[in-house]
Amino acid sequence: QVQLQQSGPGLVRPSQTLSLTCSLSGGSISSGDYYWSWLRQTPGKGLEWIGYIYSSGATHYPPSLKSRLLISLDTSKNQFSLNLSSVTAADTAVYYCARAPAEIYLHFDSWGQGTLVTVSS
Amino acid sequence: QSALTQPASVSGSPGQSITISCIGGTNDIGTYNHVSWYQHHPGKAPKLLIFDVSVRPSGVSNRFSGSKSGNTASLTISGLQAEDEADYHCSSYTPRSTPVVFGGGTRLTVL
Repeated sequence: QVQLQQSGPGLVRPSQTLSLTCSLSGGSISSGDYYWSWLRQTPGKGLEWIGYIYSSGATHYPPSLKSRLLISLDTSKNQFSLNLSSVTAADTAVYYCARAPAEIYLHFDSWGQGTLVTVSS
Repeated sequence: QSALTQPASVSGSPGQSITISCIGGTNDIGTYNHVSWYQHHPGKAPKLLIFDVSVRPSGVSNRFSGSKSGNTASLTISGLQAEDEADYHCSSYTPRSTPVVFGGGTRLTVL
């Protein structure tokens, strides 16, 4: 059974880089069948997709975050990572990693447990 | 403000049926049959309940069903159980640079 386990700090200073890692068990991150994704939920608001990476290393980011966002793969560790630079209070959210079948119509069939990241000095 | 509109809260008694709506537009729900629903117990990983409007993944109870009419998608939960108390989120494909949009989520309370 696929499990996604998130790790990373819960507090990030303004203007610094938010870094989270998602480790996969029960499957291979190198599988060409999935997009490895990140989403977030800001307090009191709905979910927001913030990007994915494919096994080839190809990425897809929303225009609103493209200049600050980097999603990467580490196949040797079977994990993928999120780096969001120049964070502000608006980036305070619960961040989730998730798996989506590699098709144009995204739906997320496995999720991590979520990491609350607070941006504050 | 979310792209899709859901009621903030709904409630029902054990054994009853409830329906959660998800209102979009012609550039998402109204044109594409790629609506998903997720159940989220706070502090736990969200769970996929429905994709492609009405398809249940293996292992999801048949008490959960999805449908769509025009720009509105709906999730119906029949035979409400205490364990169904959770947040429910809808999403839809959209042919924009952001390929998936979500609703604001609906808190279900089982009375």
